[in-house]
Amino acid sequence: DTAVSQTPKYLVTQMGNDKSIKCEQNLGHDTMYWYKQDSKKFLKIMFSYNNKELIINETVPNRFSPKSPDKAHLNLHINSLELGDSAVYFCASSQGFGRSSNQPQHFGDGTRLSIL
Amino acid sequence: ELKVEQNPLFLSMQEGKNYTIYCNYSTTSDRLYWYRQDPGKSLESLFVLLSNGAVKQEGRLMASLDTKARLSTLHITAAVHDLSATYFCAVDIGSSTDKLIFGTGTRLQVFP
Repeated sequence: DTAVSQTPKYLVTQMGNDKSIKCEQNLGHDTMYWYKQDSKKFLKIMFSYNNKELIINETVPNRFSPKSPDKAHLNLHINSLELGDSAVYFCASSQGFGRSSNQPQHFGDGTRLSIL
Repeated sequence: ELKVEQNPLFLSMQEGKNYTIYCNYSTTSDRLYWYRQDPGKSLESLFVLLSNGAVKQEGRLMASLDTKARLSTLHITAAVHDLSATYFCAVDIGSSTDKLIFGTGTRLQVFP
């Protein structure tokens, strides 16, 4: 029973293409996140949604657009892919919102995006 | 800008030895998390530290938080090979929402 699942696991594509990564959680959490992990293993928050509402929108290019159709899903669409977008993208979820939660975020297995 | 620094960045240690990983951060926070990541894998939550002086232990790992010093430590006791992984601390700087800023990571290798 995968708690936070991402698809695809691997994504190899050419520069300039548009691609999407999907994320679903079955934990009943109401907050979901996207993180980017670069080649040096540095992890950085990109977006956060709570109950389909955008809460955190870090300084990322507007080529990246998250979409949350419901609180169990958070997808990431990337337009006009660039070489620098190559990274591992992690989806995560957590219970509660803000300071009300004392629980850690649960991470998916990651999507390894390689731009040719 | 908030900085979360871990040291060492790389740690090679012999089985049976003890060592401590340090996580320093540059802003006020009373919430800190430790995660483990195996190569090519997801992040696994290890500890949640929610107040000054918090100490948590699980097996050979013990984590502590000193919010006044803005320092958390992850102590490894009698290391075994299975502990080989990358360890991240993450500071929660959110006020109305959880916002984790991750440390640089410490890659731990335990050898016989």
